[in-house]
Amino acid sequence: AQSVTQLDSQVPVFEEAPVELRCNYSSSVSVYLFWYVQYPNQGLQLLLKYLSGSTLVKGINGFEAEFNKSQTSFHLRKPSVHISDTAEYFCAVSDRAGTYKYIFGTGTRLKVLA
Amino acid sequence: EPEVTQTPSHQVTQMGQEVILRCVPISNHLYFYWYRQILGQKVEFLVSFYNNEISEKSEIFDDQFSVERPDGSNFTLKIRSTKLEDSAMYFCASSSPGELFFGEGSRLTVL
Repeated sequence: AQSVTQLDSQVPVFEEAPVELRCNYSSSVSVYLFWYVQYPNQGLQLLLKYLSGSTLVKGINGFEAEFNKSQTSFHLRKPSVHISDTAEYFCAVSDRAGTYKYIFGTGTRLKVLA
Repeated sequence: EPEVTQTPSHQVTQMGQEVILRCVPISNHLYFYWYRQILGQKVEFLVSFYNNEISEKSEIFDDQFSVERPDGSNFTLKIRSTKLEDSAMYFCASSSPGELFFGEGSRLTVL
């Protein structure tokens, strides 16, 4: 069975500074990996996804993530954050067979400070 | 762009009442899912549905819950006798398979 660990429950960062949100996964099979953003009282918005191919994945709003198979990680990065990036960020993993369900991490609350 | 739609967006109910949450998946998708997010917590898998039957369910999905695809387009989640702890956002998703596409969610408040 897959699992996802988001080690940081909260990450405060000043505006225009870089940020990295960490995600590690565990799976015995090949996986798909995803990052979602959730603003208060809203649904899940897909930021980016790794299905196959290049391990560096670019997403919306200037975010990117790198799939590292040897370290079983999929960390999310942004070189310069804005106040509007304040939100909850969820990493998710899916196996490539079976029910294709996603398992979500516990989330990281990014708080961008002025 | 095709999307998953969910109704209602918000439902308030009394404890012990039955609730049905509805979802219209993307039309050519074959796999369907329900997830739950209690306020301030993570998104939890409830159940997956394929070929008109449950393909997998979590420990959360007990006898109080049921799912149905009544007419080939809708996908419903029924909670038979709601409890206070059922208050949450419920997300429906569908896939073709592969990537899941999520609806905007139905917020259930149990009083």
